[in-house]
Amino acid sequence: DAGVIQSPRHEVTEMGQEVTLRCKPISGHNSLFWYRQTMMRGLELLIYFNNNVPIDDSGMPEDRFSAKMPNASFSTLKIQPSEPRDSAVYFCASSLVRQGGTEAFFGQGTRLTVV
Amino acid sequence: GQQVMQIPQYQHVQEGEDFTTYCNSSTTLSNIQWYKQRPGGHPVFLIQLVKSGEVKKQKRLTFQFGEAKKNSSLHITATQTTDVGTYFCAGPEYGGATNKLIFGTGTLLAVQP
Repeated sequence: DAGVIQSPRHEVTEMGQEVTLRCKPISGHNSLFWYRQTMMRGLELLIYFNNNVPIDDSGMPEDRFSAKMPNASFSTLKIQPSEPRDSAVYFCASSLVRQGGTEAFFGQGTRLTVV
Repeated sequence: GQQVMQIPQYQHVQEGEDFTTYCNSSTTLSNIQWYKQRPGGHPVFLIQLVKSGEVKKQKRLTFQFGEAKKNSSLHITATQTTDVGTYFCAGPEYGGATNKLIFGTGTLLAVQP
């Protein structure tokens, strides 16, 4: 398996524009996580899905952020409109929920810069 | 909500010295996982501990899970330059959603040759 695949790897956009980040989890995994990493706030969990259903989105900063998982092999994180403070590295991770453990496999991340 | 803190935030050692990072959760954990993130990279799973008081070793790395399942430690013996990176602990809250994985604040390790 190629692992978790995220696209794009880098994104530079102007404030106010819509940004869509994409993720393909590892085949067979049933949980998917979106994290945001910044120097100030570390690795924050934004939202996670179980079997394509959003379970907890309490980490989503505000209504400008939305995430979808239309099927088991694809998820998107959308920011509309984007703001400079959204600049960060966004990671997608997937895992296979099983008794006793749920180690997560991370994608390479998308480095977002909003100017 | 669940919070996971790590100390120290940053440690600089000479190659060959030992290193320890400590992880403390505000809630009891079902299990504790450790990840390593190289500079510019993504977090990579190292190990998972499940049982209270469990100790596991991976070559020069020793991981321990506290008796109360609220704290953990990672000890590296005789650091090497390849150990450079940020070490994160992570854990799902016991009794909560089993796979809501909350990460600690991380410890950045710098190793001087």
